[in-house]
Amino acid sequence: DVKVTQSSRYLVKRTGEKVFLECVQDMDHENMFWYRQDPGLGLRLIYFSYDVKMKEKGDIPEGYSVSREKKERFSLILESASTNQTSMYLCASSLLSGTYEQYFGPGTRLTVT
Amino acid sequence: GNSVTQMEGPVTLSEEAFLTINCTYTATGYPSLFWYVQYPGEGLQLLLKATKADDKGSNKGFEATYRKETTSFHLEKGSVQVSDSAVYFCALSGASGTYKYIFGTGTRLKVLA
Repeated sequence: DVKVTQSSRYLVKRTGEKVFLECVQDMDHENMFWYRQDPGLGLRLIYFSYDVKMKEKGDIPEGYSVSREKKERFSLILESASTNQTSMYLCASSLLSGTYEQYFGPGTRLTVT
Repeated sequence: GNSVTQMEGPVTLSEEAFLTINCTYTATGYPSLFWYVQYPGEGLQLLLKATKADDKGSNKGFEATYRKETTSFHLEKGSVQVSDSAVYFCALSGASGTYKYIFGTGTRLKVLA
């Protein structure tokens, strides 16, 4: 059974803290993605990685960075958390070709106070 | 640019009613089309997909046909159940000039017993 796991389901952080969200997939997928999901806005792509140490900015990268040191792991970093980063964060992975579906993790609901 | 438009929700139906959720897309090239479902508190799961024109994707009683002439991929189910209550997302990938997966904003379905 294929699996994408995220390090936390719920997280509460204070404004200004550095936040790490981790994602691990066991399917040997080349592509990994970070999205945020907000009511009425659907899924918005933050960052994308198509290989180890390779990354591309998505639609809303400001305030975020990512790290992919190993193929199976993709980390999202909030350098200095702000209240407008309170959201649901979803990680996904897929094979390299765009004809293949994405597999999603369960999500991390982050609250920044 | 590439985009996905799906009908606004929420959609409220009685059990055993017929379901249609409309999805239209704009894309260059030959994208693959997907429907994902998100149950409360979970990540997105692939429901069905179609990779070329006139393909029909089907799963768990749901169906959608890739209509290139109308650029549509409407989701249908003949008889919904309470357990189908969820948020449904239409998406495309593999359009020319982009690696991205493009998601609609989601349609919430509520099925009443």
